[in-house]
Amino acid sequence: EVQLVESGGGLVQPGGSLRLSCAASGFTFSTYAMNWVRQAPGKGLEWVASIVGSGVTTYYADSVKGRFTISRDNSKNTLYVQMNSLRDEDTAVYYCTKGEVGATMSDYWGPGTLVTVSS
Amino acid sequence: EIVLTQSPDFQSVTPKEKVTITCRASQSIGSGLHWYQQKPGQSPKLLIKYASQSISGVPSRFSGSGSGTDFALTINSLEAEDAATYYCHQTSGLPLTFGGGTKVEIK
Repeated sequence: EVQLVESGGGLVQPGGSLRLSCAASGFTFSTYAMNWVRQAPGKGLEWVASIVGSGVTTYYADSVKGRFTISRDNSKNTLYVQMNSLRDEDTAVYYCTKGEVGATMSDYWGPGTLVTVSS
Repeated sequence: EIVLTQSPDFQSVTPKEKVTITCRASQSIGSGLHWYQQKPGQSPKLLIKYASQSISGVPSRFSGSGSGTDFALTINSLEAEDAATYYCHQTSGLPLTFGGGTKVEIK
């Protein structure tokens, strides 16, 4: 059974940093692309970033490019996103999602972790 | 950026009714369109992938159609448990984008 569990969310001041983690199990982690998708309170879904199975290639939304870094440790079956220079508008539930082999379509989602950026 | 426009934004439906939600892409995306269901307090769940491919474990009353720029999600014989917000999502081009969502309420 595929399981994704995010952690690391919390309250951070504007300009601060936070690192989210996503522990994956139930599938061969290194084979699949992974994604971060976020949802601001009461709003729709927004793609944040994607990373291929090897970790060599990454993709970012313009809204986070240069501030967020997606990475993965295939030996630990864990996905990360390092979030720097956080802004009020980054407040959201952040979901870790599993992609497909060679594709970014999200077929499984974690329960999410809430990041609140506020002074 | 590929913009996905969903309609309607909201629909109030009687059980056993048929529901159709549409998603229009601002440029052709082939069949790279997927549908998700999100219930309050839960994470999204994949319903249909690549426009019309069914997903194991998803009830057969959910179906998808379309290609290019026009897509539809159909729920045949709506059940009370289908109350949720539905999103379309394209993975044909970067940045990946989602539709604004359609909230389905049960009368």
